[in-house]
Amino acid sequence: EDQVTQSPEALRLQEGESSSLNCSYTVSGLRGLFWYRQDPGKGPEFLFTLYSAGEEKEKERLKATLTKKESFLHITAPKPEDSATYLCAVHKTHPSSGTYKYIFGTGTRLKVLA
Amino acid sequence: DGGITQSPKYLFRKEGQNVTLSCEQNLNHDAMYWYRQDPGQGLRLIYYSQIVNDFQKGDIAEGYSVSREKKESFPLTVTSAQKNPTAFYLCASSISGRPSYEQYFGPGTRLTVT
Repeated sequence: EDQVTQSPEALRLQEGESSSLNCSYTVSGLRGLFWYRQDPGKGPEFLFTLYSAGEEKEKERLKATLTKKESFLHITAPKPEDSATYLCAVHKTHPSSGTYKYIFGTGTRLKVLA
Repeated sequence: DGGITQSPKYLFRKEGQNVTLSCEQNLNHDAMYWYRQDPGQGLRLIYYSQIVNDFQKGDIAEGYSVSREKKESFPLTVTSAQKNPTAFYLCASSISGRPSYEQYFGPGTRLTVT
């Protein structure tokens, strides 16, 4: 069964304390993996797309990496404004019908303390 | 500025009433989506549309209906047949129907049915 699992569910960091969030997936026919940031009561904001194992993308204090089974979102020297829920999603295509879908994980709630 | 708008932000209805949630985008995207987000669960796909006048059911379409008469608009109707309609509803869009493109989300509508 196609599945996306994010860990940990919640993470508390001190300002400046670097860490990583994990997104593991069991999806056949992966076409892309996406990271989003979601603030409370708001829609997800797109961060990164990764297409193939070994790929890396960076934006300010965030770096996303991808292997064949999982993706990591590395947060370097986080600040309180990085506090949010980070969502991971994968896209897959049905091999015979060609239909596609995005499968979302449940997210990691990050809290950065000043 | 280009983006996705959803209205209203908060919506309250009595049980047994149908309600329509608005979603408009000016990104010139072909594909549009509706998701439902509940606490502790990942985003679940309700309906999606790749082109005007065409749409497909997602994983949890029962009790919902949509229309796609214009490229810019993809309204969602929550009918009285939806057994647990209280949730946070998110509309998204992406370039064409190609699955490797990221989705952009609106701000969401929080629906409360009592």
